Amino acid sequence: QKEVEQNSGPLSVPEGAIASLNCTYSDRGSQSFFWYRQYSGKSPELIMFIYSNGDKEDGRFTAQLNKASQYVSLLIRDSQPSDSATYLCAVNWGSNFGNEKLTFGTGTRLTIIP
Amino acid sequence: NAGVTQTPKFQVLKTGQSMTLQCAQDMNHNSMYWYRQDPGMGLRLIYYSASEGTTDKGEVPNGYNVSRLNKREFSLRLESAAPSQTSVYFCASKGRRLSSYEQYFGPGTRLTVT
Repeated sequence: QKEVEQNSGPLSVPEGAIASLNCTYSDRGSQSFFWYRQYSGKSPELIMFIYSNGDKEDGRFTAQLNKASQYVSLLIRDSQPSDSATYLCAVNWGSNFGNEKLTFGTGTRLTIIP
Repeated sequence: NAGVTQTPKFQVLKTGQSMTLQCAQDMNHNSMYWYRQDPGMGLRLIYYSASEGTTDKGEVPNGYNVSRLNKREFSLRLESAAPSQTSVYFCASKGRRLSSYEQYFGPGTRLTVT
C-alpha cells in the first residue's frame, strides 16, 4: 500500500510570513513529487513538481525533497491571503515522463491571516 | 481551448440507479484519469486510460466501469449506485508541461446517492 501522509491542519500563518507544508511517503522507489493547490469547491491545480534531492524554487514557492528521509515539503514565502487553500502532496509510483500514477495525500488546509 | 470538461456538475441518484459521468478534453492528451475525492480521504484513483483503447484499474475500481470512447472522451459509469459512492468525481488528462507531465483536472461532478 503506497501511502502519502500530510498534516490536515488547519495551518494558520500571518500575511507576509513563510508557510511550511510537509509530506511523507512510504514508497522508497518513488521518483517524482507534486504539490497541488485546491481552493474550496474547485479542482486541484499543479503549482510545483520536483524530482531531485534538494530545493527547487519557483517565484514565492520552494519545494524541498529528501529521498533518504522520504519527505517532501513546500515553502510559501511572503504569504498572501490568496494562498489560503488546501495543498495536496502527490507522489508518482509509476514511471516518469509518460506513465505516471499519482497517490495523493489528504491535504493540508492553509489559512493566511491578514 | 476549454481544457477538461465534465458533465453533469451535480447529480442526485437513488440507490440502485445507474448513470454515466462524461469527461472530454481538447488538449490532444493521451492519458486520462478518473478520481474520487471524499472528506479526509484525499483524491483516490478509480480508473485510468494511458491511451485510446486501453483502460486500467486504479486504487478503488469496485462499482465502476469506464469507456475510453476516443482520444477526447473518457466516461465513468455507475451501474448500481450505492450511498458509499457519494463523492466528488474529478476527471483529469495528462500532458507535457516544461520538463514534466502535468495532470489537468476538470471542474468535478458532485454526486449524491440517497
